[in-house]
Amino acid sequence: QSALTQPPSASGSPGQSVTISCTGTSSDVGAYNFVSWYQQHPGNAPKLIIYEVTQRPSGVPDRFSGSKSGSSASLTVSGLQTEDEADYYCMSYTVAHTVIFGGGTKLTVL
Amino acid sequence: QLQLQESGPGLVKPSETLSLTCIVSGGSMSDISHNWGWIRQAPGKGLEWIAMMYDGGYIFYNPSLKSRVTISVDSSRSQLSLKVRSVTAGDTAVYYCVRYTRFADYFDSWGQGILVTVSS
Repeated sequence: QSALTQPPSASGSPGQSVTISCTGTSSDVGAYNFVSWYQQHPGNAPKLIIYEVTQRPSGVPDRFSGSKSGSSASLTVSGLQTEDEADYYCMSYTVAHTVIFGGGTKLTVL
Repeated sequence: QLQLQESGPGLVKPSETLSLTCIVSGGSMSDISHNWGWIRQAPGKGLEWIAMMYDGGYIFYNPSLKSRVTISVDSSRSQLSLKVRSVTAGDTAVYYCVRYTRFADYFDSWGQGILVTVSS
């Protein structure tokens, strides 16, 4: 299975909005609404920030939002803050009962 | 609060078997709403899903690793195990023990990770 496609990098200034894309196929992203997003700061384990395309776990700021259209999903970070600088990974459940990650996007807050 | 703690050797020789254990505390491994699995991350690289066990003992593996990987769960001891056979330098990574929430399909709990280096 090939990784979901994410841009390697994204950037924005504090207060701006940034959107990170995640492109899959009809066998993963396009098959179910089971797309999740993870934030990883250097040296730390990833942290869940979005699940089921649009849902935020308790404690995750509403600046983080998700969406999906067809076989592509997106994560939007609004009102960028310096602490949002991190790596972001999308993940999808697949028709083969496996899961697959995106290659990751490094978000830089300028 | 659920905690996952990986343990095992930090250095493994090429062609040998990498063996890791994860101790789960603060929650039950018998909960049918959760699966248990492993994810790894090579230095400077992205996340790679390895395998996951469903209740009833069904296991699904990453096709690229299936021939070399075995995972098992001992609910009575709250332990999850991983074995990777015939390792090469390409298996050098931080290995994470994870809990997966079924029916919504996401990883909600992660261990801190353990770095395993494959080198002679």
